[in-house]
Amino acid sequence: KAGVTQTPRYLIKTRGQQVTLSCSPISGHRSVSWYQQTPGQGLQFLFEYFSETQRNKGNFPGRFSGRQFSNSRSEMNVSTLELGDSALYLCASSWGGQETQYFGPGTRLLVL
Amino acid sequence: DQQVKQNSPSLSVQEGRISILNCDYTNSMFDYFLWYKKYPAEGPTFLISISSIKDKNEDGRFTVFLNKSAKHLSLHIVPSQPGDSAVYFCAASVVGSSNTGKLIFGQGTTLQVKP
Repeated sequence: KAGVTQTPRYLIKTRGQQVTLSCSPISGHRSVSWYQQTPGQGLQFLFEYFSETQRNKGNFPGRFSGRQFSNSRSEMNVSTLELGDSALYLCASSWGGQETQYFGPGTRLLVL
Repeated sequence: DQQVKQNSPSLSVQEGRISILNCDYTNSMFDYFLWYKKYPAEGPTFLISISSIKDKNEDGRFTVFLNKSAKHLSLHIVPSQPGDSAVYFCAASVVGSSNTGKLIFGQGTTLQVKP
């Protein structure tokens, strides 16, 4: 069974731009969670989607948003990029959101 | 407020010996705990988990122990191998409708296994 995939793997953007990251979960998994990893803050929860609905949200500004499609694929969007948004963005999938989460390889975003 | 803490940033052990990684938590509502292994620029890889109804779970060379009264868990790797060298994260969650899909992570411990 294929694992969680994320595209693109690397991105370079400039301040003020917006970015969209994509995540395809493990087949059969309906829950997708997003995390941000930075050296200073570690791994922090952004939000979780299940059946195209956001069920849970972390403490991030409204510039961070996401959505999920009927095939469980998910995208996250960051608008008006700031230098501090430079991070590794990870998505993880699970059956229903309560079980073990399996992570993708991440998207490394650099904001200049 | 850091709810999950890994107080040792790094650990170095000799190949073949036991590695013990520790994790403390403050939220007594946590009822599911996981350990992940991570290499730089890659996503975390799931190793082992434990529910709060258990105090021990084994999977091959990996054993996780949970002490609920002390709010402490540990990961034992026996025997340690050079390929185990990575950053190890413990994570915790509260199983329930208002906390779906949310893991709280510790800051990680870098394990180095020397040949």
